[in-house]
Amino acid sequence: EADIYQTPRYLVIGTGKKITLECSQTMGHDKMYWYQQDPGMELHLIHYSYGVNSTEKGDLSSESTVSRIRTEHFPLTLESARPSHTSQYLCASSETGQGSGNTIYFGEGSWLTVV
Amino acid sequence: RKEVEQDPGPFNVPEGATVAFNCTYSNSASQSFFWYRQDCRKEPKLLMSVYSSGNEDGRFTAQLNRASQYISLLIRDSKLSDSATYLCVVPPMDSSYKLIFGSGTRLLVRP
Repeated sequence: EADIYQTPRYLVIGTGKKITLECSQTMGHDKMYWYQQDPGMELHLIHYSYGVNSTEKGDLSSESTVSRIRTEHFPLTLESARPSHTSQYLCASSETGQGSGNTIYFGEGSWLTVV
Repeated sequence: RKEVEQDPGPFNVPEGATVAFNCTYSNSASQSFFWYRQDCRKEPKLLMSVYSSGNEDGRFTAQLNRASQYISLLIRDSKLSDSATYLCVVPPMDSSYKLIFGSGTRLLVRP
């Protein structure tokens, strides 16, 4: 069972509010990721990190930002939420290395609704 | 050509049936592949990994065809609980660690 946790699981906020989605993993994984997924649609990588102080933009443009100050923590922040940000956000991690090191583990997701 | 392609389905099969779906990939140098299962409104979970010619786990068999660049997932004796979306995952063509997820194949098992 993966040890990766996301909070909040569900959030409804008003337009213009600032929010931070938390993600923590206790597996000591170097690599962490944020994906965005609408119901019934495919996963889109929006941010990833190779380790502390490393963050990169993903394949899908996002107005969110991330930080990686500690190995286990990879929060995602939206400075000013809009209805178009309504979606599920999935945090994931994987360890460095070949073979099984590519296995990626997901948190349970954060469902964000912006009204 | 997309880096990974899957038939979106849905595959609608009766309980007890055998069903198989494929995933094609572009990077001929890829060494490791994965099948993930995603239930409705849940996170993807690792189902099987495929590192060489294939892998079997109970009713599930994953196979790799390097010559034709595809991996397959075979499910025998389908259960209602197998209804889900199955995601194919392949390594990227660049040197990054960004795994490439297919868009998924939806399976519906009916009574």
